[in-house]
Amino acid sequence: AQRVTQPEKLLSVFKGAPVELKCNYSYSGSPELFWYVQYSRQRLQLLLRHISRESIKGFTADLNKGETSFHLKKPFAQEEDSAMYYCALSLYGQNFVFGPGTRLSVLP
Amino acid sequence: GAVVSQHPSWVICKSGTSVKIECRSLDFQATTMFWYRQFPKQSLMLMATSNEGSKATYEQGVEKDKFLINHASLTLSTLTVTSAHPEDSSFYICSAGRTGTYEQYFGPGTRLTVT
Repeated sequence: AQRVTQPEKLLSVFKGAPVELKCNYSYSGSPELFWYVQYSRQRLQLLLRHISRESIKGFTADLNKGETSFHLKKPFAQEEDSAMYYCALSLYGQNFVFGPGTRLSVLP
Repeated sequence: GAVVSQHPSWVICKSGTSVKIECRSLDFQATTMFWYRQFPKQSLMLMATSNEGSKATYEQGVEKDKFLINHASLTLSTLTVTSAHPEDSSFYICSAGRTGTYEQYFGPGTRLTVT
């Protein structure tokens, strides 16, 4: 069965420091990988997906099929990046599986 | 664009009663809608996937007779929790998939408390 793991429940960094949120997945096929973000008191929203290979709000994520990872990175964290981040996978837009989430806290 | 609403935002009901939660895509057509459940400080768990005009596909361990899902139109899906029990208390979130894309847009969630 497909599974998504995010080893860190909480990640704290100082403003301006690099940040990396880890995500690993297990799936025998070729899933779509996503990062979703949930800011305080807001709904979940898509941050980025691997097939678009874009940078959103300074965040990037590279799919490493060999390591089955899809880590989220940003070179210089901002306080407004503080939020809950979920890594997720799906197959053909169905069967979405979410990781447990990592709470990012960017300290001033 | 791509706004999804849920109604109600919170509901309290007594054990044994049924409660219906609506999920609407306000400005786009959604052939697929997803229903999730989120326990406190935990991740989202997919309960079922509903496609307009057909029966919902339930994830393993989710009782389809207890969680009735109807997706009668391209903009509305409903989740009915039947014969609710206190253990059904949770945060229920829906999302809608825009036709032709893999993206899904989330509703704000509905907090259900069963007393």
